[in-house]
Amino acid sequence: DQQVKQNSPSLSVQEGRISILNCDYTNSMFDYFLWYKKYPAEGPTFLISISSIKDKNEDGRFTVFLNKSAKHLSLHIVPSQPGDSAVYFCAASVGSSNTGKLIFGQGTTLQVKP
Amino acid sequence: GAVVSQHPSWVICKSGTSVKIECRSLDFQATTMFWYRQFPKQSLMLMATSNEGSKATYEQGVEKDKFLINHASLTLSTLTVTSAHPEDSSFYICSAPVWLAGGNEQFFGPGTRLTVL
Repeated sequence: DQQVKQNSPSLSVQEGRISILNCDYTNSMFDYFLWYKKYPAEGPTFLISISSIKDKNEDGRFTVFLNKSAKHLSLHIVPSQPGDSAVYFCAASVGSSNTGKLIFGQGTTLQVKP
Repeated sequence: GAVVSQHPSWVICKSGTSVKIECRSLDFQATTMFWYRQFPKQSLMLMATSNEGSKATYEQGVEKDKFLINHASLTLSTLTVTSAHPEDSSFYICSAPVWLAGGNEQFFGPGTRLTVL
């Protein structure tokens, strides 16, 4: 049972344009969501997170939107840069305490073309 | 940010041998650490939660006798793959949660590539 789903395995955008990565979840108990960036043979790197009490969180070029009623979140990267090319994972947890385990989506491979 | 290290970064072993992977939090203490496994082109799958001073909690379908976890100190957790077989070949990643303003964030180690011949 895949509780966190990233239905697009890959995405290709032109440099300077907006990248939108989507993520859906099924467990209504999830209340904290995170996005990670991962290069091959490396551990994931934290990008941005959002609590369920918010619907938007912004950090520089990265913005995460949360639609609780639709159980959907998205990561917007604007403007996209070639260095953003990587695999992006969304993750969800129950509780934002530091013992909350993460459930990951399948990942979306983003390619930003120069 | 917080730094998590893993050792070794890669290991090749013969079928039937045991392999130990270390996960260390370098600049913070972690009473809890998590172990994940990632097969090629798949998601990170949580294997177990490592608890300092107590038994690890394993996810459904993960054999606790095969994947031994020891969290002996506040900065070190080890995962031992016992009697490894080729199907255990995977990328193993650990993480440690850190409480920052706004919520829990997990910092991941660089991962360990295990290849069982």
